[in-house]
Amino acid sequence: DTGVSQNPRHKITKRGQNVTFRCDPISEHNRLYWYRQTLGQGPEFLTYFQNEAQLEKSRLLSDRFSAERPKGSFSTLEIQRTEQGDSAMYLCASSTRTNQETQYFGPGTRLLVL
Amino acid sequence: GENVGLHLPTLSVQEGDNSIINCAYSNSASDYFIWYKQESGKGPQFIIDIRSNMDKRQGQRVTVLLNKTVKHLSLQIAATQPGDSAVYFCAENRNTGGFKTIFGAGTRLFVKA
Repeated sequence: DTGVSQNPRHKITKRGQNVTFRCDPISEHNRLYWYRQTLGQGPEFLTYFQNEAQLEKSRLLSDRFSAERPKGSFSTLEIQRTEQGDSAMYLCASSTRTNQETQYFGPGTRLLVL
Repeated sequence: GENVGLHLPTLSVQEGDNSIINCAYSNSASDYFIWYKQESGKGPQFIIDIRSNMDKRQGQRVTVLLNKTVKHLSLQIAATQPGDSAVYFCAENRNTGGFKTIFGAGTRLFVKA
């Protein structure tokens, strides 16, 4: 499977714990995006990378959230001191250098904070 | 109410009929529009796109229509099949000098066999 992959697919954690999610984009896609999706809503943009540079961050991305893409390939999204309101599906997408507007999404990581 | 977000607009069609899913966008600066299909437990899947200099684009069994005058986008699915059952999102890209893709709330399509 050469699509976007995300791990883990599901994560249950207790409030206050830290969690980290990983995204592996389609090979050679230079842009990588993180979104959050709550039940019944469309994805909400969190942040995106062009290669290893984080170019934009949404106001939704509080200081408890941090994303990295150290080598311009896979990316991690960490949430510190999780809160129940962080429960959501976290989606990753990637796009090519030549067609940067068409994003290909991974299956998502569903987070449940108890 | 707290469950408003769960009440997606719903379209129910008979298998074999045509489906039309509508979307209103908000920003006249948007210059690129995409329709995504999302099945339960999966990420959104790209269906078709259209740029603001076009008013119609056709794919395989799908057609997207763009009316910039009233800021309206529609997705037409011909000969709807059970496998088309999903939530459909329209998304708009805004040319603001930075990245901005805004997703709509989604429409749930049910296909009755």
